[in-house]
Amino acid sequence: QQKVQQSPESLIVPEGGMASLNCTSSDRNVDYFWWYRQHSGKSPKMLMSIFSNGEKEEGRFTVHLNKASLHTSLHIRDSQPSDSALYLCAASIGNTNTGKLTFGDGTVLTVKP
Amino acid sequence: ETAVFQTPNYHVTQVGNEVSFNCKQTLGHDTMYWYKQDSKKLLKIMFSYNNKQLIVNETVPRRFSPQSSDKAHLNLRIKSVEPEDSAVYLCASSLRGNTGQLYFGEGSKLTVL
Repeated sequence: QQKVQQSPESLIVPEGGMASLNCTSSDRNVDYFWWYRQHSGKSPKMLMSIFSNGEKEEGRFTVHLNKASLHTSLHIRDSQPSDSALYLCAASIGNTNTGKLTFGDGTVLTVKP
Repeated sequence: ETAVFQTPNYHVTQVGNEVSFNCKQTLGHDTMYWYKQDSKKLLKIMFSYNNKQLIVNETVPRRFSPQSSDKAHLNLRIKSVEPEDSAVYLCASSLRGNTGQLYFGEGSKLTVL
């Protein structure tokens, strides 16, 4: 069964610093990756997705994907206290047929003012 | 802005009782899901429906049964709850052509005493 592993389990960065989160899939058939953010007491919300090798930037958030190693990373620059949350990586084989996403265990990010 | 509505948001019950959770989405999506998030925040899919048809049925105890009357509604019934059923049950929806972009409800927290 496919596994999605995230590291680190938790991360503390100072306000204004850079946060880097990692995610790797154990299934070589996986080709779609998503990052979700879940604030405490709230439900997860999709942050970014990446399907092609390379990087994608949206504001302070950048995701990288290396399909050969099935590794994706999320980088948050100029981190803010409001970025403190659980970050979940998810992966799937294709985007249409299985109707199923596998989530990693998450990284808890704390941004200290 | 919430477009996936779950009721109830909290439920406390005794072992052996029956409980039902309801979910409705107003996004016009054709696929709906039930996920279970445990106390460690691990998010696992339980069921997925596309246009009232069950398409994903993970290995869950038989006391869990989903019900869908139309593509906008998906309910979850748990007969004879057990202590390990204590968790947050998250309903989500998506378009089948974009199953990675899930929209979650606010969750139904179940506590089994």
